[in-house]
Amino acid sequence: QVQLVESGGGVVQPGRSLRLSCVASGFIFSNYGMHWVRQAPGKGLEWVAIIWYDGSNKYYADSVRGRFTISRDNSKNTLYLQMNSLRVEDTAVYYCARERDSFNDYWGLGTLVTVSS
Amino acid sequence: DIVMTQSPGSLAVSLGERATINCKSSQSLLYSSDNKNYLAWYQQKPGQPPKLLIYWASTRESGVPDRFSGSGSGTDFTLTVNSLQAEDVAVYYCQQYYNTPRTFGQGTKVEIK
Repeated sequence: QVQLVESGGGVVQPGRSLRLSCVASGFIFSNYGMHWVRQAPGKGLEWVAIIWYDGSNKYYADSVRGRFTISRDNSKNTLYLQMNSLRVEDTAVYYCARERDSFNDYWGLGTLVTVSS
Repeated sequence: DIVMTQSPGSLAVSLGERATINCKSSQSLLYSSDNKNYLAWYQQKPGQPPKLLIYWASTRESGVPDRFSGSGSGTDFTLTVNSLQAEDVAVYYCQQYYNTPRTFGQGTKVEIK
């Protein structure tokens, strides 16, 4: 069965960096585009970034462009989100999600990132 | 960016009754080349990730009970939950996948009256 498991969250000071990982199993990872979506505490869903199945194209939300980098290693079935220059407003649960026909059919359980001094 | 506006923000429905959630997009989500509406609905229960319910505005995901249905086209869409069950208590989100950035509605919280 499809599984997506995020890790790498934690508490970090403003201005610092963090790298999230999402390990995929149960499907051919290299065939699917992947997304990061976040949810601030008590708030709605905010799309963060997308990477194509082969890593050839990447797109970002305006709120993270220039600070976050999405990448993947298809040999390791792993999706990444490198987050630099973190801000208090980046505090959220970060979900990775698989893309099927442009929508998201499977989501991980998420990893919590807290940016606080 | 396409703005997605859901209404109402919350609603309370009696068990067995119908819940209706509306979603309006700031531009049409109907792609002329394939005549499909690029609109999905997700359900999120407390402490859980979102779950895909409906895609292409009206296609139910495998395993989703048939009391959930989606309708609409262009800029106006509706999610209907017929005969509401206790396990349907959740926040429901619409999302457009017509273009990037993907955008979500602000969510509609459904509770039992």
